[in-house]
Amino acid sequence: KQEVTQIPAALSVPEGENLVLNCSFTDSAIYNLQWFRQDPGKGLTSLLLIQSSQREQTSGRLNASLDKSSGRSTLYIAASQPGDSATYLCAVDGTASKLTFGTGTRLQVTL
Amino acid sequence: DVKVTQSSRYLVKRTGEKVFLECVQDMDHENMFWYRQDPGLGLRLIYFSYDVKMKEKGDIPEGYSVSREKKERFSLILESASTNQTSMYLCASTSGGSHASYYEQYFGPGTRLTVT
Repeated sequence: KQEVTQIPAALSVPEGENLVLNCSFTDSAIYNLQWFRQDPGKGLTSLLLIQSSQREQTSGRLNASLDKSSGRSTLYIAASQPGDSATYLCAVDGTASKLTFGTGTRLQVTL
Repeated sequence: DVKVTQSSRYLVKRTGEKVFLECVQDMDHENMFWYRQDPGLGLRLIYFSYDVKMKEKGDIPEGYSVSREKKERFSLILESASTNQTSMYLCASTSGGSHASYYEQYFGPGTRLTVT
C-alpha cells in the first residue's frame, strides 16, 4: 500500500528566504505526482503536476522535482512571501487518478 | 475558469439523520471523487466515479454511498450520520476516465460537517 510522507510537518521562515519542502513515497510505480496548496478551512489548489516521465516542473517562483526511483519529490519556493503561508500537500497517482496524499507541511512566512 | 462547487460550506446534523452532500463541476470531467480530511490523517478517498452511473469504493467507503446520475454532479450520502463522520468533505474532478492519469485534480471549497 502506497504511503506518502512529508517532512517537515511545519516550517517557519522569514520573508525572502528560499525554501524546500520534501515528499517521499514508498511505491515508485506512479503515474504522476501533484503538489497542492491549502489555505485554512478551504479546498485544495493545484500548484504543479509532474508526470512520471518528467524530472521537474516550474511555475513562477515554484519548482517541483521528481526522482521516481528513489521515491522523492521536492517543492522549491524562491523568495518566499507572507502570501505563501499555507499548508502544502503532495499526492501521488498510482492508479488512474486515485491520489494518495501526504499529511502536509504547514508553512508560515513571517515579515 | 475551472469550477467545482459544493452545496454547503458548513452543515450541522444530528446522529441518525440522512445527509446529502452535493458536488457540481462545470468542466465536463469524466472523473469525480469524494475525500474526507481529518487532522493527522490527511485526505482519504471515500468513493469515486469514472462516468455517469459508475461508482467505485475508495479506501474508506463504510457508512457512505454515492450517486452519479449526471456527468456534472456527484453526490455523497451518509445513510445514518454518526459522530465519527464529523469531518471536512472535499469533492474533486479530473479528465481522463479510468485509464488516463495525465491531468490535474480540481477541488471544491469543502463542506465542514458536524454530527451531534
